[in-house]
Amino acid sequence: DQQVKQNSPSLSVQEGRISILNCDYTNSMFDYFLWYKKYPAEGPTFLISISSIKDKNEDGRFTVFLNKSAKHLSLHIVPSQPGDSAVYFCAASDYGGSQGNLIFGKGTKLSVKP
Amino acid sequence: DTAVSQTPKYLVTQMGNDKSIKCEQNLGHDTMYWYKQDSKKFLKIMFSYNNKELIINETVPNRFSPKSPDKAHLNLHINSLELGDSAVYFCASSHRSGTSNEKLFFGSGTQLSVL
Repeated sequence: DQQVKQNSPSLSVQEGRISILNCDYTNSMFDYFLWYKKYPAEGPTFLISISSIKDKNEDGRFTVFLNKSAKHLSLHIVPSQPGDSAVYFCAASDYGGSQGNLIFGKGTKLSVKP
Repeated sequence: DTAVSQTPKYLVTQMGNDKSIKCEQNLGHDTMYWYKQDSKKFLKIMFSYNNKELIINETVPNRFSPKSPDKAHLNLHINSLELGDSAVYFCASSHRSGTSNEKLFFGSGTQLSVL
């Protein structure tokens, strides 16, 4: 049973345009959400997070939006750069912010073309 | 200087063998984890250790045993390897304060192939 779903396995965008990566979850107890970025042959690296008490968090070119009623979050990258090409994992936690039991999605492979 | 390092990067072995994967972190974190990424690309937590105590053990076969000689190391021992154990195993660490949202730092992964 997938509690965190990333239904798009891949996404291709042009450099300079906006990339929008989507994530849905089923467990209403999740209260903290994170995005990780992974390059080939490397481990995932933390990108941005959002608490369930917020509906938006921004960090430079990256913005995460949370819609609790729809159990949906999205990651916006603007403007997209070729170096953003990677696999992006959505993750959720129900430990009140502790990252001891993150539930990950399957990831979305983003390709940003020059 | 790599923050979380795990060895080996690749491990190819026969069914039934016993193998270990080592992990070290130099971040001063007090919690370390092992995650498994299976063929379906899901990243699932296997274990975490906080101050030498096991605090999470998801439904992992007892053929898998984590060993933490000190706060900076969490090794993964696997006995009687099976074909289904083939996966990428990631070590991670974090500082778990209990109230703040500390991010996980991952190692680069160990690709285990059981033949």
